[in-house]
Amino acid sequence: GENVEQHPSTLSVQEGDSAVIKCTYSDSASNYFPWYKQELGKRPQLIIDIRSNVGEKKDQRIAVTLNKTAKHFSLHITETQPEDSAVYFCAASKNSGNTPLVFGKGTRLSVIA
Amino acid sequence: SAVISQKPSRDICQRGTSLTIQCQVDSQVTMMFWYRQQPGQSLTLIATANQGSEATYESGFVIDKFPISRPNLTFSTLTVSNMSPEDSSIYLCSVEIGGRGTEAFFGQGTRLTVV
Repeated sequence: GENVEQHPSTLSVQEGDSAVIKCTYSDSASNYFPWYKQELGKRPQLIIDIRSNVGEKKDQRIAVTLNKTAKHFSLHITETQPEDSAVYFCAASKNSGNTPLVFGKGTRLSVIA
Repeated sequence: SAVISQKPSRDICQRGTSLTIQCQVDSQVTMMFWYRQQPGQSLTLIATANQGSEATYESGFVIDKFPISRPNLTFSTLTVSNMSPEDSSIYLCSVEIGGRGTEAFFGQGTRLTVV
């Protein structure tokens, strides 16, 4: 089955700097890659996603890149703010059938003011 | 989008007892998913609940321990049976609107503590 590896497990950045979180996946049939943000005590919330037919997607300060050949995808947050502090999870799934959404182990991002 | 109501939000239970968690969605969905999130950990899929058929369990999870009901297209329950302290975790239900490969929405989670 699918296996998603996520790095780093923790990340501290100064406010205004950029943060990059990387994930790799094992199943070449996976074609949907969402990123979730989970604040303490709250449910995961989708922040951005990308499908395998594109290499990059951007939404304001957040961008995701996908390299299908290498089977890795990354989350980029620019101009970080203290409210970006949270745990971020990457995930992967196939766009068919009952295949599950498989999550990475998460990255705890701390933005230091 | 989807609005998911999950209850209870938290509970403290005695070992050996069972707890049933309910998940209600404001729209009809084919599949509902149940995840476990242990403290400081990621989300692990327990099972997929498809209305009209038995739930499909992931490796390491069995129906006797985590029975699931799916009586209609908007509701599901997960029971944690014969609980032990190792079952202390957050349990989340999830749905995907529009089919596989679309945004997953989560309930607010049930924080379970077994003493």
